[in-house]
Amino acid sequence: DTEVTQTPKHLVMGMTNKKSLKCEQHMGHRAMYWYKQKAKKPPELMFVYSYEKLSINESVPSRFSPECPNSSLLNLHLHALQPEDSALYLCASSQEPGPSEHEQFFGPGTRLTVL
Amino acid sequence: KQEVTQIPAALSVPEGENLVLNCSFTDSAIYNLQWFRQDPGKGLTSLLLIQSSQREQTSGRLNASLDKSSGRSTLYIAASQPGDSATYLCAVRLLDTGRRALTFGSGTRLQVQP
Repeated sequence: DTEVTQTPKHLVMGMTNKKSLKCEQHMGHRAMYWYKQKAKKPPELMFVYSYEKLSINESVPSRFSPECPNSSLLNLHLHALQPEDSALYLCASSQEPGPSEHEQFFGPGTRLTVL
Repeated sequence: KQEVTQIPAALSVPEGENLVLNCSFTDSAIYNLQWFRQDPGKGLTSLLLIQSSQREQTSGRLNASLDKSSGRSTLYIAASQPGDSATYLCAVRLLDTGRRALTFGSGTRLQVQP
């Protein structure tokens, strides 16, 4: 199984809502990532988890809260978002750790619209 | 700071043509370089991964080369088909062990005309 799955595919939420994005992989990968992609722009890194621990936070606002409950799951909790947070949110995973040169596999993304 | 540039930004070719997409990066201290395909509104599909010690990788009609010292990579697509129409992104992974994430170029939007 070389697939990363993400749910939901689409999400529309108001600025006062609380929602969560979910990502799952069963490839035994120990590094998982959240990227944000605005229209016609490349993906930008938000968070990196390595062995279920947050290793990188790219100065992301606290209204985005990541969680890695186990090695196969990665969540992104959303609260009090702004319309400019509307984007495609991509999850990825790769093998870790060490100076290995492994491939990143991406999920299909969640299209988020904040009203 | 690593910067990744892709040229051209957009390309339109007739079906059957061979074509080359270019990617350049400013910091040659990379682990690897990955080429992706992205269809509109969709996720990224990995096409080829080139390790820093390699010069090229091939998969079907695709061939990717890497010249790390000059900070360049090319993606060669042979006998293009309308189904190849998509945005192609290159991304590099830095050698810094504390940072495992990819830095992406802005992509080349390819349109193959039937």
